[in-house]
Amino acid sequence: NAGVTQTPKFQVLKTGQSMTLQCAQDMNHEYMSWYRQDPGMGLRLIHYSVGAGITDQGEVPNGYNVSRSTTEDFPLRLLSAAPSQTSVYFCASRKNVGELFFGEGSRLTVL
Amino acid sequence: LAKITQPISMDSYEGQEVNITCSHNNIATNDYITWYQQFPSQGPRFIIQGYKTKVTNEVASLFIPADRKSSTLSLPRVSLSDTAVYYCLVAGGSQGNLIFGKGTKLSVKP
Repeated sequence: NAGVTQTPKFQVLKTGQSMTLQCAQDMNHEYMSWYRQDPGMGLRLIHYSVGAGITDQGEVPNGYNVSRSTTEDFPLRLLSAAPSQTSVYFCASRKNVGELFFGEGSRLTVL
Repeated sequence: LAKITQPISMDSYEGQEVNITCSHNNIATNDYITWYQQFPSQGPRFIIQGYKTKVTNEVASLFIPADRKSSTLSLPRVSLSDTAVYYCLVAGGSQGNLIFGKGTKLSVKP
């Protein structure tokens, strides 16, 4: 079982560049979400989705876009990267109740 | 949404029992309490979940008093491999806005 798969694992961007962090799950989970993790800040929710076609904002949505066209995929887009977006990003999924399953993380550095 | 407070760090020695408390004063009636463990360079993973009283599984126990305004994760006889960050999550079963506490860094020493 692959679980939650994130790509890429590492990425370096220059300020102003755009990119997409990919997240895919093979557990038929309705719920998917993106978190960022910074030293001393814990896990902060960026965006989440409770099903295909439905997305909503979390604690820190500014600078990020998401879409959910399929149950399996939940990409996170940075349209114009800023150094403040340097972080480790985690994707998670679950059935609408129950435990969250996390990916292994994507480490992004914006220069 | 429940406001979550947990200690930033804790130290322990191998073989001791460790108790990590999470405060959530404004917990809602339909909220569950869930704990996750995170090792460096890995995603968090589920440890235990409860609604009230006590829940026990093969790795931990979760104690929740009657007023549910706090909860305590208990790790029996910790080993060096239990060194990790532990996160408390308080949320309703179908809630989407899942906000974690800031995490407690547990350091287990030999």
